[in-house]
Parts: sequence; C-alpha cells; structure tokens
Amino acid sequence: AQSVSQHNHHVILSEAASLELGCNYSYGGTVNLFWYVQYPGQHLQLLLKYFSGDPLVKGIKGFEAEFIKSKFSFNLRKPSVQWSDTAEYFCAVNRGAGGYQKVTFGTGTKLQVIP
Amino acid sequence: GAVVSQHPSWVICKSGTSVKIECRSLDFQATTMFWYRQFPKQSLMLMATSNEGSKATYEQGVEKDKFLINHASLTLSTLTVTSAHPEDSSFYICSASRGGARETQYFGPGTRLLVL
Repeated sequence: AQSVSQHNHHVILSEAASLELGCNYSYGGTVNLFWYVQYPGQHLQLLLKYFSGDPLVKGIKGFEAEFIKSKFSFNLRKPSVQWSDTAEYFCAVNRGAGGYQKVTFGTGTKLQVIP
Repeated sequence: GAVVSQHPSWVICKSGTSVKIECRSLDFQATTMFWYRQFPKQSLMLMATSNEGSKATYEQGVEKDKFLINHASLTLSTLTVTSAHPEDSSFYICSASRGGARETQYFGPGTRLLVL
C-alpha cells in the first residue's frame, strides 16, 4: 500500500534557524508531490508541488523542496524561519492519471517557531 | 481566487439520523472533489474521490452506502452520512481541484460532526 512518512512530528525552532522537514513515500511509480500548510485557524493551502522537471522546486514564503527519486524523498526546506511560519505541514502524494487519482497524506509535522 | 466553502461548519445530530454536508467551489470549476476525514491528532484520511457527473471512487474500508457522495455539478459536491452513529463523529474536510493528479487541491474549512 502506498504510504507517506513524515518522521518529524513536532519541531521547535528559534527564529532565523534553518528548517528541513522530511517526507518519504513508498510508491515506486510516477508520483506528483505536494506540501500543504495549515496555519492556526486556517484552511490547508498549497506551499509547493512537483510533478516533473527541475527536482528543486520553490514555493511561497521562501520555502523550497527537493525531489530525490532514488531516496523516494521530497524534503521541505527553508533557510531562515520566521515566527509566522508556525503551522502544521503536510506532505502529500497523488498517484494518478486521467480520472483516477490516489491521494495519500503524511501524518503532518507541527512547527513551532519561537521568537 | 480558488475558494472552497463547506456547510455547515459544525453539526450535532442524534444517532440514526442522516446529515448532509455541502462543499462548494466558489470561483472555479471543480472537476474533481475529495472528501477526507480527520481524527484528533491524526492526518487526513481520504474517504473518496469524485469527478463531476460520475460515481465517486471510495477508498478501501469506506462504506459506500453509509457515506453517500454526490457531485452533480462543477461547483457542488455533497457528503451524506446516513444513519449516523457516535463513531461517525469526526472532522470532515472537502477539497476541490480543476482535475488531474498534478492539480492543486483547494481545501474547505471542514465540518465538525458530533453524533449523540
């Protein structure tokens, strides 16, 4: 069965620290990869996504993620976090084609940034 | 743009009754809509995927007859929890996309269901 693993469940960082959140998936075929973020009291929203091309993708608010096919990974990074980055981050995989889609979310990582 | 609404935001019902939750894409045409369930301190569990005008595709373990999904238009999908029981109490979230596995999902705010 397809699975998505986020190993860091809760991360606490000071402002200006660098961030890397891990995401690994188990499916070996073609995948479309997403990072979503949920700020306190808000809906889930897209940070960035990858489906082909340059494996280093840039998203909103200074976030980026690198797709490493050989490691089945899609880690999220930010060089310098801000207090406003406090949120829960979800990695998701959509394996599908045409009308069929199979979406799996990771368990999420809660990031707390201390001023 | 790309706003998705859900109604109601919360609902309390008696065991045995049915509850309908609406998911609307307000400013775009949603070819595909997704329904998720989220348990406390857990991730989103996909319940079903629906394409406009087609029957929904349910995930393994999700009862089709209990969780009825209708996606009759490009802006509206409904989830009906039939004969609800306390174990159906949960947070239900919908999302909508323009279709295709590469498309971004736009999420609704969720509906909290409590079955007494």
